[in-house]
Amino acid sequence: QVQLVQSGAEVKKPGASVKVSCRASGYTFTRYGISWVRQAPGQGLEWMGWISAYNGNTNYAQKFQDRVTMTTDTSTSTAYMDLRSLRSDDTAVYYCAAEDSAGYYYDWGQGTLVTVSS
Amino acid sequence: IQLTQSPSSLSASVGDRVTITCRASQGMSIYLAWYQQKPGKAPKLLISAASTLQSGVPSRFSGSGSGTEFTLTISSLQPEDFATYYCQQLNSYPLTFGGGTKVEIK
Repeated sequence: QVQLVQSGAEVKKPGASVKVSCRASGYTFTRYGISWVRQAPGQGLEWMGWISAYNGNTNYAQKFQDRVTMTTDTSTSTAYMDLRSLRSDDTAVYYCAAEDSAGYYYDWGQGTLVTVSS
Repeated sequence: IQLTQSPSSLSASVGDRVTITCRASQGMSIYLAWYQQKPGKAPKLLISAASTLQSGVPSRFSGSGSGTEFTLTISSLQPEDFATYYCQQLNSYPLTFGGGTKVEIK
């Protein structure tokens, strides 16, 4: 079955960068895209952006445009989300989500907690 | 497109009929999804294309709507349905989520 496994929790200092991975299995990775969504403690879901696993095209939320890079490694069926210049309000659980042919998020990773603290 | 969910929270009893509304800031097609999220877990896709129930999702869940107003209805609330529900629009970038509706036990 489809499974997305994310990397483990991270603690970072303000100004640092974090790279979260999302390894996919159970389907043809290059067929559709991967989106990244984050959730601050006690808050709602926030869409960060999308990458096509087929050709690497990306679409980022304007809020993150300057600080985020999403990539994929098709040889390992892994997606990555790199967030730079971290601030305390970047503390959140970061999720990857696999989309179906219509773009709906039919499967999600388990989430990666990123804590930004001095 | 901004999505406004109402109510932001509600208290209900097992067996109650529950309706959650998601209003879009501009008219859109039916590219709307509903997700259920339980504490400490990733969201789960319940409904796509405004009204298409995902495989394995109980039939007590239903979705409807078009234009700027969409609804998620739970016809008879069950104990396992206490969770937070989010709508999401996939009509245009940037994709956006509603603020969520927390369904609590009365």
